[in-house]
Amino acid sequence: EPEVTQTPSHQVTQMGQEVILRCVPISNHLYFYWYRQILGQKVEFLVSFYNNEISEKSEIFDDQFSVERPDGSNFTLKIRSTKLEDSAMYFCASSGQTLPYEQYFGPGTRLTVT
Amino acid sequence: DAKTTQPNSMESNEEEPVHLPCNHSTISGTDYIHWYRQLPSQGPEYVIHGLTSNVNNRMASLAIAEDRKSSTLILHRATLRDAAVYYCILRDVGSGNTGKLIFGQGTTLQVKP
Repeated sequence: EPEVTQTPSHQVTQMGQEVILRCVPISNHLYFYWYRQILGQKVEFLVSFYNNEISEKSEIFDDQFSVERPDGSNFTLKIRSTKLEDSAMYFCASSGQTLPYEQYFGPGTRLTVT
Repeated sequence: DAKTTQPNSMESNEEEPVHLPCNHSTISGTDYIHWYRQLPSQGPEYVIHGLTSNVNNRMASLAIAEDRKSSTLILHRATLRDAAVYYCILRDVGSGNTGKLIFGQGTTLQVKP
């Protein structure tokens, strides 16, 4: 069964550093998403991406964040200058083009900012 | 986005049925009812969806009230592996909708052996 993969599984970085989280969505999917979950809190939507552009972003997704689909298979989330409060699990998801567009989530990347 | 209300937690015994309720009194005509679950230390996982009629799949059943203001996810025989947080989410799949999922706190299901 096809699945969404994410790398790395755990990333530790120092405050102010740039990080790139990588995702490989399911190959024939067209919609891509990033979510995050701070420890003990609910899953929060960050951004949706379709047709090589951002289709929607949340208030969390400020200028420090960017997304890219550089090569037709990978989907990346970049945080330019990490803050302590960026520490969270980051989940990538993808969905196809037919209703109800159920989303398939990856296992997540745990980002720890020290 | 229309809001859903779920109990914070529920308990079940292994191999017994579980009925997880969800209220969504402000649901609109283009809202699909989706259920996802999140096993410990994993990403969310799609469970089932419905619009108006009851639905069955290999994981669960979804019973939708006639007025669509509430629904119930039914696990026919709970196993220890079903212990998870279950999220009831309304998704408007109308034109222009980006498909984002808005997660609430969900219902934490504990399954006792």
